[in-house]
Amino acid sequence: RKEVEQDPGPFNVPEGATVAFNCTYSNSASQSFFWYRQDCRKEPKLLMSVYSSGNEDGRFTAQLNRASQYISLLIRDSKLSDSATYLCVVIHSASKIIFGSGTRLSIRP
Amino acid sequence: DGGITQSPKYLFRKEGQNVTLSCEQNLNHDAMYWYRQDPGQGLRLIYYSQIVNDFQKGDIAEGYSVSREKKESFPLTVTSAQKNPTAFYLCASSPRRTGGSYSNQPQHFGDGTRLSIL
Repeated sequence: RKEVEQDPGPFNVPEGATVAFNCTYSNSASQSFFWYRQDCRKEPKLLMSVYSSGNEDGRFTAQLNRASQYISLLIRDSKLSDSATYLCVVIHSASKIIFGSGTRLSIRP
Repeated sequence: DGGITQSPKYLFRKEGQNVTLSCEQNLNHDAMYWYRQDPGQGLRLIYYSQIVNDFQKGDIAEGYSVSREKKESFPLTVTSAQKNPTAFYLCASSPRRTGGSYSNQPQHFGDGTRLSIL
């Protein structure tokens, strides 16, 4: 089993839809969690940190479920510009930083 | 503007040749990292450094070497021992939280170097 798993997609949804995807992790001692966005042939860019209490940034909401060992990202009112690959990152320690393979999201007009 | 600068953007390597990828940051971050990304895959950690003159191997360090002589700079050398070097190489940095922890700080990335074999 991979340490961090993401559904690769692609998720193809219409503009304005709400879309959500998860990222599961295997190490229960993992400490920190993040979502990054990566556009084609570009570097990953930090989207948001993920906290147990959940956090929201505009149309984006991230949640952490420690009991079931997954994090989630919800995008409301999706825009064409949201089309990208979304990477989850799980950090256990300074030397144990695991990136998921990414979920591709495509928003259609 | 503060940020991380990687150069060159594109690099070609001949068989048996060592090449060095540059990474410079002016964010005053203590920690720096090198990752490799292959098509359709996540990032894999090559080396990381938490302090000047110290660095540690990541998951795929074989065939690579690094140095950390200055806080701002963390160059990566892809040696001839790396038999499959074609990939997208990403450098990142992160600050150290008060109290010494790195583990809850997000990383910030440079815009990458694409390395190909001639």
